[in-house]
Amino acid sequence: AQSVTQLDSQVPVFEEAPVELRCNYSSSVSVYLFWYVQYPNQGLQLLLKYLSGSTLVESINGFEAEFNKSQTSFHLRKPSVHISDTAEYFCAVSDQTSGSRLTFGEGTQLTVNP
Amino acid sequence: DAGVIQSPRHEVTEMGQEVTLRCKPISGHNSLFWYRQTMMRGLELLIYFNNNVPIDDSGMPEDRFSAKMPNASFSTLKIQPSEPRDSAVYFCASSLSLRSNSPLHFGNGTRLTVT
Repeated sequence: AQSVTQLDSQVPVFEEAPVELRCNYSSSVSVYLFWYVQYPNQGLQLLLKYLSGSTLVESINGFEAEFNKSQTSFHLRKPSVHISDTAEYFCAVSDQTSGSRLTFGEGTQLTVNP
Repeated sequence: DAGVIQSPRHEVTEMGQEVTLRCKPISGHNSLFWYRQTMMRGLELLIYFNNNVPIDDSGMPEDRFSAKMPNASFSTLKIQPSEPRDSAVYFCASSLSLRSNSPLHFGNGTRLTVT
């Protein structure tokens, strides 16, 4: 069985500061990892994904995440955040046994303050 | 690409009434998922379909909940009778397939309030 743990439920930061949202997973087989973002009153949107290949993956808006197999982690980072990055972020995992049926973490609310 | 379309966006109903939530997946997507989101439980997978066939409904909380997918472009989630504890945001999502590297695309959700 899979599980995902997002270690911080809330992360407040100031604008232009760096941020890291932590995600750890457990699975007995090879995994695929995803970060989704949810803005207020909207559905979840795919931010980035790790399927295979390079362990560092990037999104179009400056976020990146690194798959670390030995640490079973997939932390999300951004070197300088904007107020518009305020949202809830969900880490999710799937594997070949679960197919596209994702297991989501509890979510991390990122609040960027001016 | 219009994305996943859900209706209504908001639904307020009284306990005991029937509620029907609707979803139109992205054209060409073969898999459809219904999720429920609450503060207490986060995101819960209720049921999912592949090629219009229900694959796993083990997440449906009670017999009061039912879901159908009569064709590739439409699905419904019905609650009858509704109860206050059903209040939540219900999301529909679709993906190209059930392959594990196929990302989910979510609709904007239906916020259900049962009084």
